[in-house]
Amino acid sequence: DVKVTQSSRYLVKRTGEKVFLECVQDMDHENMFWYRQDPGLGLRLIYFSYDVKMKEKGDIPEGYSVSREKKERFSLILESASTNQTSMYLCASSLLREGPYNEQFFGPGTRLTVL
Amino acid sequence: ELKVEQNPLFLSMQEGKNYTIYCNYSTTSDRLYWYRQDPGKSLESLFVLLSNGAVKQEGRLMASLDTKARLSTLHITAAVHDLSATYFCAVGQGAQKLVFGQGTRLTINP
Repeated sequence: DVKVTQSSRYLVKRTGEKVFLECVQDMDHENMFWYRQDPGLGLRLIYFSYDVKMKEKGDIPEGYSVSREKKERFSLILESASTNQTSMYLCASSLLREGPYNEQFFGPGTRLTVL
Repeated sequence: ELKVEQNPLFLSMQEGKNYTIYCNYSTTSDRLYWYRQDPGKSLESLFVLLSNGAVKQEGRLMASLDTKARLSTLHITAAVHDLSATYFCAVGQGAQKLVFGQGTRLTINP
């Protein structure tokens, strides 16, 4: 089974802090994704990566950056956390660079609260 | 820009009844997924639909895809309490990305 793990289930930070969220997948997947989930808005893509050191902006990249130094690990960075970044953050991975069978597998999520 | 809309967003139903969740999307895509999310948990994949007329079934859930109408349905037959969850459809965009609907929160009452 694919396993996607995230470094924390719950996180509380203060406004202005630098925040790191880490995600690790153990199935040699090519693609990794960061989403945020807010009630009534579904999941919105922040960034994704299709290879080591490669990244692309998603729909809501402002205020976030990412890092992928190793294939199995994808980090989301909030350079200066703000209260409007309080949300559930979900990491996902998918096997292939492209193709229809590109199902995404999700981690358990990190609920981030910024005070 | 691909937009995905689900309806209804909230659905409360009695055990034993049938109902359908709808997922409409705005531009052509080669794949559509249905996911389930239990409270406090992550998303679990239910179905992958790849072609017009595709139908997949698992237990009391059946998903179908009409690519010409850009519509997918998730049909629940004889609902049971265990099916209470939030259901998301997600439509493929480009090679890697998915665009998600808002989610349908389904509550099944005894």
